[in-house]
Amino acid sequence: QVQLVESGGGVVQPGGSLRLSCAASGFTFNSYDMHWVRQGPGKGLEWVAFIRFDGSHKSYADSVKGRFTISRDNSKNTVYLQMNSLRAEDTALYYCAKDRPGSSHFDYWGQGTLVTVSS
Amino acid sequence: EIVLTQSPATLSLSPGERATLSCRASQSVSSHLAWYQQKPGQAPRLLIYDASNRATGIPARFSGSGSGTDFTLTISSLEPEDFAVYYCQQGSNWPPEYTFGQGTKLEIK
Repeated sequence: QVQLVESGGGVVQPGGSLRLSCAASGFTFNSYDMHWVRQGPGKGLEWVAFIRFDGSHKSYADSVKGRFTISRDNSKNTVYLQMNSLRAEDTALYYCAKDRPGSSHFDYWGQGTLVTVSS
Repeated sequence: EIVLTQSPATLSLSPGERATLSCRASQSVSSHLAWYQQKPGQAPRLLIYDASNRATGIPARFSGSGSGTDFTLTISSLEPEDFAVYYCQQGSNWPPEYTFGQGTKLEIK
């Protein structure tokens, strides 16, 4: 069965950095596009970043462009989110999600890792 | 950016009743619309993709309809486990851009 397990969250000061990881299993990882989606405390869902199956293309929400970088290591079945210049408004539960092929939707989600930006 | 507006914000119904949730897009998204269910402390779960297709393992009481700018999620007869928050989502494959609605909370009356 498909499993996505995020890690790397924690408390960081404004302006700091953090790297999130998402370990995937149960499917042929190197064949699927992947995403990061976040949810602020008590708020709705916000798509953050996308990476193509082979890493050849990446896309970001305007709110994180220039500060966050998505990457993947297909030999480790892992996708990453490097977050720099963090702000209080980046505080959220960050989910890793698998892209549903042939559509523009997310068919499997991890349980999320919590990032808190606070001094 | 395409904005998705969900209504109502909160829907109060009883088990056994029919639920109708709405999602309106600020411009046409064709049929590239999905619905997700999220329960407290859990990740979202894909219910409906491409406007009207049930995802794997989703009960037949869930159905989606619509195209262009107006979409509906219908739950034909509410079960106790259906009370949750529901989000619609649209996406464009190229360039990759995705947005969610603000959510509809379905609560027990």
